[in-house]
Amino acid sequence: KAGVTQTPRYLIKTRGQQVTLSCSPISGHRSVSWYQQTPGQGLQFLFEYFSETQRNKGNFPGRFSGRQFSNSRSEMNVSTLELGDSALYLCASSLAVGQGFDRLNTEAFFGQGTRLTVV
Amino acid sequence: GIQVEQSPPDLILQEGANSTLRCNFSDSVNNLQWFHQNPWGQLINLFYIPSGTKQNGRLSATTVATERYSLLYISSSQTTDSGVYFCAVVGYQKVTFGIGTKLQVIP
Repeated sequence: KAGVTQTPRYLIKTRGQQVTLSCSPISGHRSVSWYQQTPGQGLQFLFEYFSETQRNKGNFPGRFSGRQFSNSRSEMNVSTLELGDSALYLCASSLAVGQGFDRLNTEAFFGQGTRLTVV
Repeated sequence: GIQVEQSPPDLILQEGANSTLRCNFSDSVNNLQWFHQNPWGQLINLFYIPSGTKQNGRLSATTVATERYSLLYISSSQTTDSGVYFCAVVGYQKVTFGIGTKLQVIP
């Protein structure tokens, strides 16, 4: 069974540009969440998607956005890049159990991450 | 939101020594995971342990949900155990991480 796949692995961008990162979850997992890791702030939650809908969002500016497609693959976009956006971006995939929209996520599996450098 | 505290923040061990890493969390949680982050940044799943005790080789973990803490035990440490260990609690739709314990095992 394939794991969580993130592309690209590395990116170098210039301030002011935008970037799109991709995450393909484990087959059958419909929840995808995104995290930013920096030395100063640790691992912080960005947002979570289930069935193409954002269910939860962290405390990040509107420059950070995401979406999920019908095959559960997810993308996140950062516009107008700033130096402080340099970070490791990780996505996680989970099964969601229960009924309805408030299904509970179970064990999270992470991809290898995308290391973004903004110069 | 849920607060997750890990201790100690840093730990240096001689190869062969045992250690215990602790994770305290501020509220009841649906489940809890332990991860090891490798030098390339990937989070490797160690345990998915909302309660009780699990063992996997030289590693074991115990979560006492009623007292809101979890422990990760590393026995007979090896240099390959070096890295950062994260405790993470899983709420409905997001994972909240502790700051991690940076472990260095020296030969």
